[in-house]
Amino acid sequence: NAGVMQNPRHLVRRRGQEARLRCSPMKGHSHVYWYRQLPEEGLKFMVYLQKENIIDESGMPKERFSAEFPKEGPSILRIQQVVRGDSAAYFCASSPRDKLGTNEKLFFGSGTQLSVL
Amino acid sequence: GQQVMQIPQYQHVQEGEDFTTYCNSSTTLSNIQWYKQRPGGHPVFLIQLVKSGEVKKQKRLTFQFGEAKKNSSLHITATQTTDVGTYFCAGGGGKLIFGQGTELSVKP
Repeated sequence: NAGVMQNPRHLVRRRGQEARLRCSPMKGHSHVYWYRQLPEEGLKFMVYLQKENIIDESGMPKERFSAEFPKEGPSILRIQQVVRGDSAAYFCASSPRDKLGTNEKLFFGSGTQLSVL
Repeated sequence: GQQVMQIPQYQHVQEGEDFTTYCNSSTTLSNIQWYKQRPGGHPVFLIQLVKSGEVKKQKRLTFQFGEAKKNSSLHITATQTTDVGTYFCAGGGGKLIFGQGTELSVKP
């Protein structure tokens, strides 16, 4: 049973380019979460999605960042016109469901390290 | 918005010494989770606490959830070099809010 798969593992972009980060959740998981981690910092929540729905995007920057989780295929975190400050590790996590009032545990992928030159 | 704070940020111990990290939330939590991230790795789930005052043990690790469900702690007895990493607490409903983490280094 494959775990959460993220690709690419490392992504290098020049300022102004677009970055697309992919996440395939564990089989049977319908909830996906994206987190950003800067060196020696914690995990900052970005967005929480179910299939075809954005449930909570309160951690997403208002501009340049978007996320989707289509009916078929992986979840995509898209960063347009990247800037040096976007350099970070981006982790995706999945869970099977979200019980009302109780969190399911999260299974994390290995992350994508984005470097903006 | 909800905040989860952890102290200390760093802890350096000699192998065999004990280690404790503390977690505090600005709001009452329905449950709290703990994760461990090894250097260069990804967070891995350790445990979830749900009940007020709950205490759970995993070998040398002891987890506590406060009576008011706003704080938690992780205690490691007799640390080993394999305990090295960053320990995060996380809480919230729907989305998990992570604390800043406590980075543990163990000197052999």
